[in-house]
Amino acid sequence: GNSVTQMEGPVTLSEEAFLTINCTYTATGYPSLFWYVQYPGEGLQLLLKATKADDKGSNKGFEATYRKETTSFHLEKGSVQVSDSAVYFCALTETGANNLFFGTGTRLTVIP
Amino acid sequence: GAGVSQTPSNKVTEKGKYVELRCDPISGHTALYWYRQSLGQGPEFLIYFQGTGAADDSGLPNDRFFAVRPEGSVSTLKIQRTERGDSAVYLCASSIQGGNNSPLHFGNGTRLTVT
Repeated sequence: GNSVTQMEGPVTLSEEAFLTINCTYTATGYPSLFWYVQYPGEGLQLLLKATKADDKGSNKGFEATYRKETTSFHLEKGSVQVSDSAVYFCALTETGANNLFFGTGTRLTVIP
Repeated sequence: GAGVSQTPSNKVTEKGKYVELRCDPISGHTALYWYRQSLGQGPEFLIYFQGTGAADDSGLPNDRFFAVRPEGSVSTLKIQRTERGDSAVYLCASSIQGGNNSPLHFGNGTRLTVT
């Protein structure tokens, strides 16, 4: 079956620190991988995605590389800001499928 | 522009009652999804509409749950004989056409509490 396991939070970092949120997945086929973010008081929104092995998704200074050999899609940012404080969800969908499988979410708090 | 709108934002109901949750997708989006998010969990897929039809309802947990989208825009999620375990945030999302290349736009959700 399909599943996503992501690093448990909460994560608290100082501004300008380096961020890694780990995500590994299990899939029966060749999934597309996503990171969604939920800022306080807002709905989930797509942060970045990668659709095949070795692809790198990037947006707003965040990056994640689709690693088929380790079934991972870790989220990284070199220098976090207070405005990055949010809950981050790793997710996958199989080719041709209609639904996303989400991880449990990781709450990030960045302090000045 | 207007995003996905869900009403009500909060709903408290007694066990055994019937509830309806509404979703207004982004105008022109043909695909609409319902997800359920329990406390401390990620969203779980319930149902997917392409236009007016439910193309995939494999995530509905049982026959107390039903959803409609009669005109291909607004959707209503209906829960009969609510149980305390139904308490969760119900999320609606829409996309231009469905599929992996069409990003989902989520609403803020309806928080349902069954007492």
